[in-house]
Amino acid sequence: EVQLVESGGGLVQPGRSLILSCAASGFSFDDFAMHWVRQVPGRGLEWVSSITWNSGNIAYADSVRGRFTISRDNAKRSIFLQMSSLRVEDTALYYCAKDTRGGFTSGWMDHWGHGTLVTVSS
Amino acid sequence: DIVMTQSPDSLAVSLGERATINCKSSQTILHSSNNRNYLAWYQQKPRQPPRLLIFWASIRASGVPDRFSASGSGTDFTLTISSLQAEDLAVYYCQQYYSTPSTFGQGTKLEIK
Repeated sequence: EVQLVESGGGLVQPGRSLILSCAASGFSFDDFAMHWVRQVPGRGLEWVSSITWNSGNIAYADSVRGRFTISRDNAKRSIFLQMSSLRVEDTALYYCAKDTRGGFTSGWMDHWGHGTLVTVSS
Repeated sequence: DIVMTQSPDSLAVSLGERATINCKSSQTILHSSNNRNYLAWYQQKPRQPPRLLIFWASIRASGVPDRFSASGSGTDFTLTISSLQAEDLAVYYCQQYYSTPSTFGQGTKLEIK
């Protein structure tokens, strides 16, 4: 069974940093691209960032480029989202999602974690 | 960026009746190289993560009931639930993966009448 478990969320002040993690199991992790997608509670879905199977291609939404960094450790079956210079508008539930292909930063997501909540507030 | 626009924003349908949700992209998401439409549909129930329903615009994901179907090409797409069940209460999103950034529609909230 595919499982994606996010962690690292919490309450943080504007301008500070936070690192999210997503631990994967139940599939051949290093064959697939992975994504971060966020959702303000009660609102829609916003794609944040993607990383291909070998970290060869990485993409970011304009809203986070230059502030967020995605990475993966295939040996640890995990992806990470390093978030810096956080803003109030980054407040959201952050989902980790598995792509169905390995080499594309834009794809459909067949499995999702339950998310980790990031709240940016003073 | 490709803008995805869903209609309606909300929809109330009686149990057993048909529900239809539309999704329009601001530019074509039909790739000429493989004649595939780069569109997915997701279902999100309250307090749950999204669940993949459809990919390549019309292919049901594993385990999705056959009352869910989808169609369309180019810029106009439709998700249809042929006979609404109580468990179909959810918000439905379309997503284009034709280009980066991948973008989602704003969502359509499906309610039971």
